[in-house]
Amino acid sequence: AQKVTQAQTEISVVEKEDVTLDCVYETRDTTYYLFWYKQPPSGELVFLIRRNSFDEQNEISGRYSWNFQKSTSSFNFTITASQVVDSAVYFCALSESYNQGGKLIFGQGTELSVKP
Amino acid sequence: EAGVVQSPRYKIIEKKQPVAFWCNPISGHNTLYWYLQNLGQGPELLIRYENEEAVDDSQLPKDRFSAERLKGVDSTLKIQPAELGDSAVYLCASSKTSGRWNEQFFGPGTRLTVL
Repeated sequence: AQKVTQAQTEISVVEKEDVTLDCVYETRDTTYYLFWYKQPPSGELVFLIRRNSFDEQNEISGRYSWNFQKSTSSFNFTITASQVVDSAVYFCALSESYNQGGKLIFGQGTELSVKP
Repeated sequence: EAGVVQSPRYKIIEKKQPVAFWCNPISGHNTLYWYLQNLGQGPELLIRYENEEAVDDSQLPKDRFSAERLKGVDSTLKIQPAELGDSAVYLCASSKTSGRWNEQFFGPGTRLTVL
């Protein structure tokens, strides 16, 4: 069965610190997609990144970077030099090949609090 | 481009009352999803539409929940009668097409409180 685990329920950092959000997934599929979404207090989930299972290149986008390691079934997200505006709940999600409808399996989320 | 619109944003009702949520997806998006998000949890899929057709409603509690997507655009999710355990945020999302690779765009959700 598919599953996404975000073991960190809450993380609190001081502005300008680097922070890594962990995501571990389980799937029997060889073809799947992984996503990260951000949910600010307004409630709307905002898409951050998508990765397919054949692309293990790390990605950097500004202060955000993602480390995908198939060998450990992990897709971790790092924010460099965190800012107060990064405060939100972050969700990792999985979509598998058999599920052609794009059903997302979400983790429980990590609530990040960045203090000034 | 306008995002996914949901209304109402908040709803408070007493148990056993009916309630309905409305969603207007992004223009041109054929696939529409309803998710349930309990406090402190990630969203869980309730139902997925391809145009007007509900193609995955396996997680929808059909004894009290119903949904429709007339004309393949707007959608309504209904609960009748509501129970205390239905208190949650109901999220609507849309994507251009279905498929595991597709980015889903989410609305702000409707926060339901059942007293």
